[in-house]
Amino acid sequence: DTAVSQTPKYLVTQMGNDKSIKCEQNLGHDTMYWYKQDSKKFLKIMFSYNNKELIINETVPNRFSPKSPDKAHLNLHINSLELGDSAVYFCASSQESLVGGELFFGEGSRLTVL
Amino acid sequence: QQQVKQSPQSLIVQKGGIPIINCAYENTAFDYFPWYQQFPGKGPALLIAIRPDVSEKKEGRFTISFNKSAKQFSLHIMDSQPGDSATYFCAASLYPNDYKLSFGAGTTVTVRA
Repeated sequence: DTAVSQTPKYLVTQMGNDKSIKCEQNLGHDTMYWYKQDSKKFLKIMFSYNNKELIINETVPNRFSPKSPDKAHLNLHINSLELGDSAVYFCASSQESLVGGELFFGEGSRLTVL
Repeated sequence: QQQVKQSPQSLIVQKGGIPIINCAYENTAFDYFPWYQQFPGKGPALLIAIRPDVSEKKEGRFTISFNKSAKQFSLHIMDSQPGDSATYFCAASLYPNDYKLSFGAGTTVTVRA
């Protein structure tokens, strides 16, 4: 039973298109995140929601918009896709009240913009 | 600006060798230092973590050494196995007051049989 699941796993699209990635966690965690991993494997946080409230909003183009309909879901919508958006996007969750605040990552969504 | 500097970028060892990955940080307020392991095609997963009140922590074949005065910490993989081949990320945060982990750039470890 997958703890953090993302869909789709692969996404190939043309420049200028709009796309969404969905994420769901069944761990009962109160905090969810989006990370971007570039071709050099560098992990960069993009957004974080705690109990549906946006708490981290890094310097990300406003073409990227997260939406958290409830504590278990965090979606990422990307408008007007650019070549530089090609990356693997990871959703993660954690329970901040637990010692350590371990991040649980999904398997990633590989976005390729042509 | 990367808050955690990790080296080397990659390393190759023979089975049974001890790969060592080093990380350094500047922010003395950091007080939680986890290591994440990522296999190809998978998301990172927590491997081991340390707080600054201890200088060493072992879990199985993985050991973290922590030097608070030097603001450095490292991961040693004892008796490395081909199954340990993965990318390893060090990280730091202001736990429990900061939801954000600052990750190092990652080290790809290859263990040859």
